[in-house]
Amino acid sequence: GAGVSQSPSNKVTEKGKDVELRCDPISGHTALYWYRQSLGQGLEFLIYFQGNSAPDKSGLPSDRFSAERTGGSVSTLTIQRTQQEDSAVYLCASSLVGDGAEAFFGQGTRLTVV
Amino acid sequence: GQNIDQPTEMTATEGAIVQINCTYQTSGFNGLFWYQQHAGEAPTFLSYNVLDGLEETGRFSSFLSRSKGYSYLLLKELQMKDSASYLCAVRSTTSGTYKYIFGTGTRLKVLA
Repeated sequence: GAGVSQSPSNKVTEKGKDVELRCDPISGHTALYWYRQSLGQGLEFLIYFQGNSAPDKSGLPSDRFSAERTGGSVSTLTIQRTQQEDSAVYLCASSLVGDGAEAFFGQGTRLTVV
Repeated sequence: GQNIDQPTEMTATEGAIVQINCTYQTSGFNGLFWYQQHAGEAPTFLSYNVLDGLEETGRFSSFLSRSKGYSYLLLKELQMKDSASYLCAVRSTTSGTYKYIFGTGTRLKVLA
């Protein structure tokens, strides 16, 4: 597609429910990133996929968080048993691999846990 | 570990020049990026430095000193629309993988 697409744009869920957030990266971008941004804060790294390599999961805050990337394209971030502190904007980005390659961001999914 | 520091907030006047500083500590340095983020929107790319020195793009310039772990973003002829958060990000590489680590951002307010 023309840009990084994320869905849904907004999600309100009850505490304890599971949620799935979707990211469709720019075609041809082998690298895909998930970040979390709480209100007024910076971007917190969650997970990174590159090609067929094992993902870098070092930023996932707990084992309730998981992500997969199917066929080297679309990615899904899953949060199980959501908690109120999970409320944030979840941003996905994709990039080419190589010097100077910038990351392109989607519009994000605003998650509210009530 | 990796650490990026930048001021939380800055205020400047329309038409003025403002410099936003960023210091970093990282391993496998592979470039420093600046992004602009308006409230409620996604970050958008502004500039990139991988070698020491100054890069200029229109009203925006970015400087890098790798030995000092220091960068700054210079915004000239400030406009009201420049009110936004400015994010400093370091890309680091390890064993062929690349990761962008972001600072907490500097919220810039441009006053008339």
